[in-house]
Amino acid sequence: GAVVSQHPSRVICKSGTSVKIECRSLDFQATTMFWYRQFPKQSLMLMATSNEGSKATYEQGVEKDKFLINHASLTLSTLTVTSAHPEDSSFYICSARSGGLANEKLFFGSGTQLSVL
Amino acid sequence: AQSVTQLGSHVSVSEGALVLLRCNYSSSVPPYLFWYVQYPNQGLQLLLKYTTGATLVKGINGFEAEFKKSETSFHLTKPSAHMSDAAEYFCAVSDGRGSTLGRLYFGRGTQLTVWP
Repeated sequence: GAVVSQHPSRVICKSGTSVKIECRSLDFQATTMFWYRQFPKQSLMLMATSNEGSKATYEQGVEKDKFLINHASLTLSTLTVTSAHPEDSSFYICSARSGGLANEKLFFGSGTQLSVL
Repeated sequence: AQSVTQLGSHVSVSEGALVLLRCNYSSSVPPYLFWYVQYPNQGLQLLLKYTTGATLVKGINGFEAEFKKSETSFHLTKPSAHMSDAAEYFCAVSDGRGSTLGRLYFGRGTQLTVWP
């Protein structure tokens, strides 16, 4: 079946540095990818919708200058957490959409645990 | 706006017992409803989904869920739990229309433990 690969699975960084997370669709083309974050004991919260070749659409309250999303190809979207701070520590998950409206499917990556010291 | 409430962050059952995971939703439009399962160190996998039509939806691994509009619920059930069902389960809602298709709003998740 379709697989979405997300890397890294875990990253620890110092406050003030930037971290890039990659989301790849391995055997299908994904015109749309989604980025979520999850705090402990909380639900997954949609951060943004990433469309290939265009600017990402961010959910209300998500800082687009802090969470840079690039979707340069049909198989790769990246999320860069810029100038990371401890409050950005969270679990980040991507998903990729395949198919059209009639047969749409979503496939999720295994997530990235970000810890900012 | 859409939102999801999962009652009970942890559910424990004995192997062979009925599994019931509760999900209530709020949506301003007819909802699309989903249940996902997440095993350790793996991505979310779709168990089942309701879009339109029959309100009782059957999914993989013997799970099913019933969409009850009057109760705004989409509870997940399985008649007989198996050890391999131990995982975290997420209920999600989408308005499922046009460009917003695929934008999911998740509940907090329910960790299912199955005792031998």
